[in-house]
Amino acid sequence: KQEVTQIPAALSVPEGENLVLNCSFTDSAIYNLQWFRQDPGKGLTSLLLIQSSQREQTSGRLNASLDKSSGRSTLYIAASQPGDSATYLCAVSPRQGGSEKLVFGKGTKLTVNP
Amino acid sequence: ETGVTQSPTHLIKTRGQQVTLRCSSQSGHNTVSWYQQALGQGPQFIFQYYREEENGRGNFPPRFSGLQFPNYSSELNVNALELDDSALYLCASRTGGIYGYTFGSGTRLTVV
Repeated sequence: KQEVTQIPAALSVPEGENLVLNCSFTDSAIYNLQWFRQDPGKGLTSLLLIQSSQREQTSGRLNASLDKSSGRSTLYIAASQPGDSATYLCAVSPRQGGSEKLVFGKGTKLTVNP
Repeated sequence: ETGVTQSPTHLIKTRGQQVTLRCSSQSGHNTVSWYQQALGQGPQFIFQYYREEENGRGNFPPRFSGLQFPNYSSELNVNALELDDSALYLCASRTGGIYGYTFGSGTRLTVV
């Protein structure tokens, strides 16, 4: 059974700092890994999607890496801003069963202080 | 039409009642999934539909059921509501292949 763990559960940093969020998964048989942002009480916004054959993806100040063999992904946020404050969720799509479901971690709650 | 739209945004129901939540996906999104997110937890997979057929189900009882329609809309039905069903319900859709999921803003269900 695929399990996804995100560390740390919460993180508070001053504005301008570069930071890394970690995600680990137990089974390397995945189609892809996706990072999402969730504001309080809201839905999920997709940030980056990494296919199993890829090593990283970049979008603006965000960079996500994938090491499938070790079951790890990191989300790097450069020059953090107060508007980056949210919960960041990592999800993998396991290569098992007929559906392409997502298995999520519990998220990392990020607070960027002005 | 772009985006995934869910309705209603908030709902309060009494234990034992039935509820229907609705989702309108983007044109061409043949795959739709529903997730339940309890407070402080990651979303949990309920089930998935592909071209109007259920093709995957998570660890949820049969009182959770769904439908997908040809116009890319879908429904999540929950019968005999329990207090633990209180959660944010998220709909997600995709076209398939290399594309990821697009999520709606969710429906906050409170069972009292």
